[in-house]
Amino acid sequence: DAGITQSPRHKVTETGTPVTLRCHQTENHRYMYWYRQDPGHGLRLIHYSYGVKDTDKGEVSDGYSVSRSKTEDFLLTLESATSSQTSVYFCAISESSRGVYEQYFGPGTRLTVT
Amino acid sequence: GQNIDQPTEMTATEGAIVQINCTYQTSGFNGLFWYQQHAGEAPTFLSYNVLDGLEEKGRFSSFLSRSKGYSYLLLKELQMKDSASYLCAVNGGATNKLIFGTGTLLAVQP
Repeated sequence: DAGITQSPRHKVTETGTPVTLRCHQTENHRYMYWYRQDPGHGLRLIHYSYGVKDTDKGEVSDGYSVSRSKTEDFLLTLESATSSQTSVYFCAISESSRGVYEQYFGPGTRLTVT
Repeated sequence: GQNIDQPTEMTATEGAIVQINCTYQTSGFNGLFWYQQHAGEAPTFLSYNVLDGLEEKGRFSSFLSRSKGYSYLLLKELQMKDSASYLCAVNGGATNKLIFGTGTLLAVQP
């Protein structure tokens, strides 16, 4: 257990509304990640963070923004939700083991955009 | 480009051995990772390989050949609870980002 929680765990929202998903970790990990998982696509990286206020884009960042004002919290915002953003969102942290960074995942948030 | 390939589905029998293959093409390499994901749950870390060869962890083993861009996950003494998706992922460089394959759905039958 890497001490990762996500909130909310489930959300239904309407097209055009803003949505913020929260990832919280309790073990002071430097690296945090947001992924989405869709059938046929596997896990795809949206954004990641390598420290407070240090973030960068992943492969599917369009329509998403992130913020990390504290080590323990990494927020993912959908500025104006679209149906194509219906997905399961996973947050992850990474920690070093013998020089290799292993990633550990939170429980996920299932988002439905109607 | 960067690409990771693994079979979509596999079926095996309880008590048997199954090998799940993964091939990859990435611009860099800093480790290959295997995750297990049960339906409706988060992926859980199984193993990783950085150097060529076999890494064994109980009933699970993972093999890597960097020159061939190839890995496999070997599951022995299969149990019904091993029915899950198995995800192959590669760290393609120094940024600690993982590139995931689409996963192999393993069904273990009695």
